[in-house]
Parts: sequence; C-alpha cells; structure tokens
Amino acid sequence: GEDVEQSLFLSVREGDSSVINCTYTDSSSTYLYWYKQEPGAGLQLLTYIFSNMDMKQDQRLTVLLNKKDKHLSLRIADTQTGDSAIYFCAETPEYGNKLVFGAGTILRVKS
Amino acid sequence: KAGVTQTPRYLIKTRGQQVTLSCSPISGHRSVSWYQQTPGQGLQFLFEYFSETQRNKGNFPGRFSGRQFSNSRSEMNVSTLELGDSALYLCASSRQGNEQFFGPGTRLTVL
Repeated sequence: GEDVEQSLFLSVREGDSSVINCTYTDSSSTYLYWYKQEPGAGLQLLTYIFSNMDMKQDQRLTVLLNKKDKHLSLRIADTQTGDSAIYFCAETPEYGNKLVFGAGTILRVKS
Repeated sequence: KAGVTQTPRYLIKTRGQQVTLSCSPISGHRSVSWYQQTPGQGLQFLFEYFSETQRNKGNFPGRFSGRQFSNSRSEMNVSTLELGDSALYLCASSRQGNEQFFGPGTRLTVL
C-alpha cells in the first residue's frame, strides 16, 4: 500500500539544526522527495534521494534514508527564519510519476 | 528558464458549474501531473499525462478529466462542481520522471 507519515509540527530556534522525519510504506519506491511550501505558494522541490542511497547532502540540507525501516529524514543546518514553511515528504511508487505525499510538517523558526 | 505556469491563479464558481484550468510545463518537459490540495485530504494525485496520453490516474470521480496537447500544455476540467471541490489545484512537470517541478497553483472556490 501507499502511505507516508510525518510529524505535524516542529519548532526550532534560529541557528539550530532542524530534523524532519518521515516514514513510508511502499518498499518499491524508487525516489523519495522533500518539498517545501510557503504560504500561498506552490511546492518547491528541495532535494530527492534515490532508493539505493543512504545519504545525500546539498549545502545546508542532508537527507538520510533507512530503507530497512522505511524512514527518511531531512536535516536543515543553521536554520533561518526564511526556512519557516511546510515540508512535505513524498514517495513514488514503482509505476509512473505519481507522487504520494505525507500530510506535511510545519516548521516554525523562532528568532 | 521559465517555470511551470498555471492560469488562472484564482477562480470563483458556483455549484453545478464547470471549470477548466490550464498548465504550461517547463520547456522540454513532456510529463504533466495534476494534484488537488485541501486542508482535510492533503495533496492527492489526480492524473498524469505524457505525450498526450493519460499514463496514470488517481481515485477521483469521472467529473475530473484532463488532456494534454501536442505542445505538452495540459488542461484539467471539473464538471458539475461541488462545494468539496474547493481546493488548490497544482500542476507539476517533469522531463522523464525523477524531478517534478510544481507551478504556483490555481485556487478554486466553489460557492
């Protein structure tokens, strides 16, 4: 089946690291994604990881994938107030381009 | 390179009417997918078109339909609108698969 779960809310102080967690159910997913949505906007692709990788780093972003536990995390280093947004984890089941999204994690950054 | 564009950005309709939304993908992208975003159901996949053919379809009633033109532009249509169709409709384009880029969305309000 297809299901993606995320914690709903995370609050951090500016300058700290943020870690957003996600679990998924479809073991056949080839890619896993992190998207960011700011108020009134569409989804911005932050990063993605191929299912045969354990880790991917892109500037302040680090993605960790534990395929055995079907657990994905996004770490944002030196979190800034501009990082305040909703973060969505998504998986692609084996067929086509269909994205299955989690409910989103609201990240609040306090200055 | 221009991003994904969607028109109109905002739309107000009444129950029973029909509506057509438009999406222009990034130049060179042949796949266009549509998603519905609501506070209650989150982000849900509607359908995907590739080279003018529907390649995948989500669990939405037949009132929701789409098409893709030879220039990869896509439209989606919702007939006999219901109050529950009020949502942000997002379009995403990709070249082949792994990276999907979203437009700003069309906010549909049904009165």
